[in-house]
Amino acid sequence: DAGITQSPRHKVTETGTPVTLRCHQTENHRYMYWYRQDPGHGLRLIHYSYGVKDTDKGEVSDGYSVSRSKTEDFLLTLESATSSQTSVYFCAISQAGELFFGEGSRLTVL
Amino acid sequence: GDSVTQMEGPVTLSEEAFLTINCTYTATGYPSLFWYVQYPGEGLQLLLKATKADDKGSNKGFEATYRKETTSFHLEKGSVQVSDSAVYFCALSDTGANNLFFGTGTRLTVIP
Repeated sequence: DAGITQSPRHKVTETGTPVTLRCHQTENHRYMYWYRQDPGHGLRLIHYSYGVKDTDKGEVSDGYSVSRSKTEDFLLTLESATSSQTSVYFCAISQAGELFFGEGSRLTVL
Repeated sequence: GDSVTQMEGPVTLSEEAFLTINCTYTATGYPSLFWYVQYPGEGLQLLLKATKADDKGSNKGFEATYRKETTSFHLEKGSVQVSDSAVYFCALSDTGANNLFFGTGTRLTVIP
């Protein structure tokens, strides 16, 4: 157990509204990641962080922003949600060259 | 760029059947290779890994051998159980990279 908690676990929202997903870890890991999982695409990296206030874009970063003001929290924000952002979002941490994942946040944008 | 191509599913097998899920990769450096498993309603868990050519990763009766000559990392199990029903993802991490590249996943269903 890598001590990763995602919230909310489920959310339904409407197009154009802002949404923030939170990833919280308890073990001081430096690297944190946000992935989205979609049928036929597997997992794709949205953004990652390598320290407080240090973040970088991944493969599918358009429409998403992130923030990391504390080691333990990595926030993913959709400024104006679209239906194409309906997905399952996974947070992960890196430990000894391996990724450990949270349980996921299912977001539905109507 | 780096990528992983994984056998498409779904795969349905009877209990005790032999399992192979194919995975091939493209990488510019010397990647590490992984198999992750996702049980229903859960996040991904590392199943096994191999960090260099000819290494064999194994766990829970599953095995995969890192074949540089064929750029492959096929997952095998000699006798599957109903509890192995899950989605399996092949992934790679290239030299100096900070993240994993995943295949599209293969859903396995094992029937009694």
